[in-house]
Amino acid sequence: GQQLNQSPQSMFIQEGEDVSMNCTSSSIFNTWLWYKQEPGEGPVLLIALYKAGELTSNGRLTAQFGITRKDSFLNISASIPSDVGIYFCAAYNNNDMRFGAGTRLTVKP
Amino acid sequence: DAMVIQNPRYQVTQFGKPVTLSCSQTLNHNVMYWYQQKSSQAPKLLFHYYDKDFNNEADTPDNFQSRRPNTSFCFLDIRSPGLGDAAMYLCATSRDKAATTDTQYFGPGTRLTVL
Repeated sequence: GQQLNQSPQSMFIQEGEDVSMNCTSSSIFNTWLWYKQEPGEGPVLLIALYKAGELTSNGRLTAQFGITRKDSFLNISASIPSDVGIYFCAAYNNNDMRFGAGTRLTVKP
Repeated sequence: DAMVIQNPRYQVTQFGKPVTLSCSQTLNHNVMYWYQQKSSQAPKLLFHYYDKDFNNEADTPDNFQSRRPNTSFCFLDIRSPGLGDAAMYLCATSRDKAATTDTQYFGPGTRLTVL
């Protein structure tokens, strides 16, 4: 179910700006994931984090697994128009997978 | 190459007319999941198969059923679709359900319209 607190809900930024979004939970999770979803498509995995404190990059994207295991953030540097979409955080613990409500990103050229 | 394939991408059905959505995977993953996603919302897990073991979420309506005849294929059957069942249906797979192997990979989804 949707029990992760993801913020912000939406962002309108200028091309070239950096973006930051985050997810928090009241529960501890062992895995944090960040997905991007474009209209009419399924979520595409961007970054997977498996260890508390882990900082992982994928091109212009950087994500961190919080030390407390209750939060994660995603940064996008130097945004471009094709970054538009909805970004979902997800967290996983044994049989329990949760999603955030998503952050809708709009990039103005 | 597509790893999680969903067919059809778009499905139109009539109110009350049974419909089947299909998912196949080339990853040889043990776990397959079905999610329902409504507009501007996060995906909602309906059920999953861990190998042949079926696991239903507590709040999944009886109207939704699933079959997994083999490792590669999984089907979502909606016995009597209602207008509220119009949504995107996403299939996902993961290698296992333990940490570091539980990352889920999604298919492109099937958008269901109910008339």
